[in-house]
Amino acid sequence: AQKVTQAQTEISVVEKEDVTLDCVYETRDTTYYLFWYKQPPSGELVFLIRRNSFDEQNEISGRYSWNFQKSTSSFNFTITASQVVDSAVYFCALSETSTYTGANSKLTFGKGITLSVRP
Amino acid sequence: KAGVTQTPRYLIKTRGQQVTLSCSPISGHRSVSWYQQTPGQGLQFLFEYFSETQRNKGNFPGRFSGRQFSNSRSEMNVSTLELGDSALYLCASSLAGVSLGNTIYFGEGSWLTVV
Repeated sequence: AQKVTQAQTEISVVEKEDVTLDCVYETRDTTYYLFWYKQPPSGELVFLIRRNSFDEQNEISGRYSWNFQKSTSSFNFTITASQVVDSAVYFCALSETSTYTGANSKLTFGKGITLSVRP
Repeated sequence: KAGVTQTPRYLIKTRGQQVTLSCSPISGHRSVSWYQQTPGQGLQFLFEYFSETQRNKGNFPGRFSGRQFSNSRSEMNVSTLELGDSALYLCASSLAGVSLGNTIYFGEGSWLTVV
């Protein structure tokens, strides 16, 4: 069965600190997609990044960077020089293929990490 | 480009009533899926519609149902509401499905409180 583990539940940092959010996943699929979403208090899940299982190239986008390692089934997310506006709940999610025949839009989510950035 | 739009944003219902939530996907997206978010269970997949047909379903009772219209707009219905149905209901859309490599974009959600 698919599983996404976000072992950290709450992280509190002071503005300008770097912070890494961990994500470990389990899947039997050979092709899969990993996602990170940000959820501010308003409720909307804001898409941050998608990664393919066959592309382990790490990515940097502004203050955000992602480290994908298939060998350890991890897809970690780092915020450099954190800001108060980064305060939110962050979810890691995994696509699912083997349970269904044909295409689907099911994501398995981790429990989320609440990030608080203090001024 | 407009995002995923959900209505209503907030609603309060009484146990035993039914509720209908609406979702307008991003223009051109044909897959619409619904998720329930609660503090205890987290984010759980309810069901997905593609081209007006339910393509996949999560592990929820039959009180939860949905449909999709020819313009890809979708509604979900919960009948005989229970206190445990209090949750944030999120609608998401993608071109054709996340398993095909498409990104899923979520709406702001509908906050349902059952009293």
